[in-house]
Amino acid sequence: DTGVSQNPRHKITKRGQNVTFRCDPISEHNRLYWYRQTLGQGPEFLTYFQNEAQLEKSRLLSDRFSAERPKGSFSTLEIQRTEQGDSAMYLCASSSGQPGMDTQYFGPGTRLTVL
Amino acid sequence: GENVEQHPSTLSVQEGDSAVIKCTYSDSASNYFPWYKQELGKRPQLIIDIRSNVGEKKDQRIAVTLNKTAKHFSLHITETQPEDSAVYFCAASIRSSNTGKLIFGQGTTLQVKP
Repeated sequence: DTGVSQNPRHKITKRGQNVTFRCDPISEHNRLYWYRQTLGQGPEFLTYFQNEAQLEKSRLLSDRFSAERPKGSFSTLEIQRTEQGDSAMYLCASSSGQPGMDTQYFGPGTRLTVL
Repeated sequence: GENVEQHPSTLSVQEGDSAVIKCTYSDSASNYFPWYKQELGKRPQLIIDIRSNVGEKKDQRIAVTLNKTAKHFSLHITETQPEDSAVYFCAASIRSSNTGKLIFGQGTTLQVKP
């Protein structure tokens, strides 16, 4: 499967714990996005990488959230001191070509449940 | 601020009928409008997209129309089939950020009754 992959697919954690998610984009894609999707809503933009540079962060991304893409390939999203409000599906998408004009391909997501 | 409104939130049609979903956007500089289909527990999958230099695009039973003056675009599905049942999301690119991030509508749950 050469699509976007994400691990783990599901994560259950207790409030206050730290969690880390991984995204592997399509190999030739230099752009990578993280979105968050809550039940019954569309995905909401969290952050964007072009190669290894993090170029934009949403105001939704509090100080407890950090994302990296160290070698311009895979990316990680870490949430520290999780809260129940962090429960959501975390989606990763990748693309290539001209920003704002090309297709973003989504991964299957990581569903986070904070107890 | 940047916003995409999508209607209706739910849509139920008989198999073989047409379905239409409408979206409006706020950023007049937006020039890319994809539509995604998301089945329960699965990833959003692109079904069709349109760029601002065209007013209509068709792919078999699916078509999208764009009215840039009115800042709205619509998804049309003809001859609906039960496997079209899913949640559909429209989105618009936000040009001001230069990143290509998408702003999504709230989604439309389409049910096609056999």
